[in-house]
Amino acid sequence: GENVEQHPSTLSVQEGDSAVIKCTYSDSASNYFPWYKQELGKRPQLIIDIRSNVGEKKDQRIAVTLNKTAKHFSLHITETQPEDSAVYFCAASRGADGLTFGKGTHLIIQP
Amino acid sequence: NAGVTQTPKFQVLKTGQSMTLQCAQDMNHEYMSWYRQDPGMGLRLIHYSVGAGITDQGEVPNGYNVSRSTTEDFPLRLLSAAPSQTSVYFCASTPGQTYEQYFGPGTRLTVT
Repeated sequence: GENVEQHPSTLSVQEGDSAVIKCTYSDSASNYFPWYKQELGKRPQLIIDIRSNVGEKKDQRIAVTLNKTAKHFSLHITETQPEDSAVYFCAASRGADGLTFGKGTHLIIQP
Repeated sequence: NAGVTQTPKFQVLKTGQSMTLQCAQDMNHEYMSWYRQDPGMGLRLIHYSVGAGITDQGEVPNGYNVSRSTTEDFPLRLLSAAPSQTSVYFCASTPGQTYEQYFGPGTRLTVT
């Protein structure tokens, strides 16, 4: 089955700086790559996703890049703010059989 | 729309007891899934369904049963609870294979 590795497990950045979280996947048939943000005690919320026919996608301060050849994708957050502090999960899916998640990155925004 | 709802929010079971976690969605989504979340492990897929009457196993199916008799409901049954099943359980639904999964609020289960 699919295996998703996520790094780093904890990331601390100064407010206003950029944050980058990286994931690799093993199944070349995977074609959908979402990123979820989860605050303490809450459900995961989708922040951005990308499909395998696209190399990059942006939404305001958030961007995701996908390298299908290398089987890795990354989340980029620019101009970080205190409300960006949370746990972020990457995931991969090849279709109807659900998502395989990474183990998460705890993002800490230092004031 | 209520979205995805789960009941109960919290549950404590004794080892060996059985119970059903309820999940319902009112968005007419074909696909529904159950995940468990343990500290440091991310979310892991237990079972999923691609439509009424169709279910399949995910990464960690042992000790759990599911059925999908209607599009709206996807209950998860714990047959004989074990302490290793202490976790937070999330149900999710999605309209298609490569679309956003909408998560329910979760059920926090403790097995003593």
